[in-house]
Amino acid sequence: DAGVIQSPRHEVTEMGQEVTLRCKPISGHDYLFWYRQTMMRGLELLIYFNNNVPIDDSGMPEDRFSAKMPNASFSTLKIQPSEPRDSAVYFCASSLRGLAEGGETQYFGPGTRLLVL
Amino acid sequence: SQKIEQNSEALNIQEGKTATLTCNYTNYSPAYLQWYRQDPGRGPVFLLLIRENEKEKRKERLKVTFDTTLKQSLFHITASQPADSATYLCAHTGFQKLVFGTGTRLLVSP
Repeated sequence: DAGVIQSPRHEVTEMGQEVTLRCKPISGHDYLFWYRQTMMRGLELLIYFNNNVPIDDSGMPEDRFSAKMPNASFSTLKIQPSEPRDSAVYFCASSLRGLAEGGETQYFGPGTRLLVL
Repeated sequence: SQKIEQNSEALNIQEGKTATLTCNYTNYSPAYLQWYRQDPGRGPVFLLLIRENEKEKRKERLKVTFDTTLKQSLFHITASQPADSATYLCAHTGFQKLVFGTGTRLLVSP
């Protein structure tokens, strides 16, 4: 398996523009997670899905952020409009089972480095 | 709120020595802790998981301990090598999601 795939790897945009990040989880994994990593706050969970359904979006910063998972092999994280404080590395991760089912480990993608000017 | 803390200062050690990284948690009793390794420009990679009823877990040169009384986990790398240089993250479960520490950077000098 190719692992979790994310695109683009780097994104530079101007404030106010829409940004769409993409993720393809590992085939057969039922859980998908979106994280944001910054120097100041570390790795933070934004939202996670189980079988394509959003379960917990309490980490989504504000209404400018939205995430979808139209099918088991694809998810998007959209920021509209983007702001300079959104600059960070965004990771997608997937797991076979949920945490409550036995301490399942997560497999991370390479991340998308976003810079909003 | 649940907190998980790691030493933010980088740990510098010499090749061959044992590196010991610390993870402390408060306001919660996690069922298990996980340790991940992150290299620059890459996503975290899972290393070890230890459950609350396990005192110690080993994998090759890696060893993790879990002290529920002290609310602390220690991560050891024995016979460290320059290739072990990376940032190490600990994570605990919090309401069915992983909560990560900010990580400790390890630098192993030849």
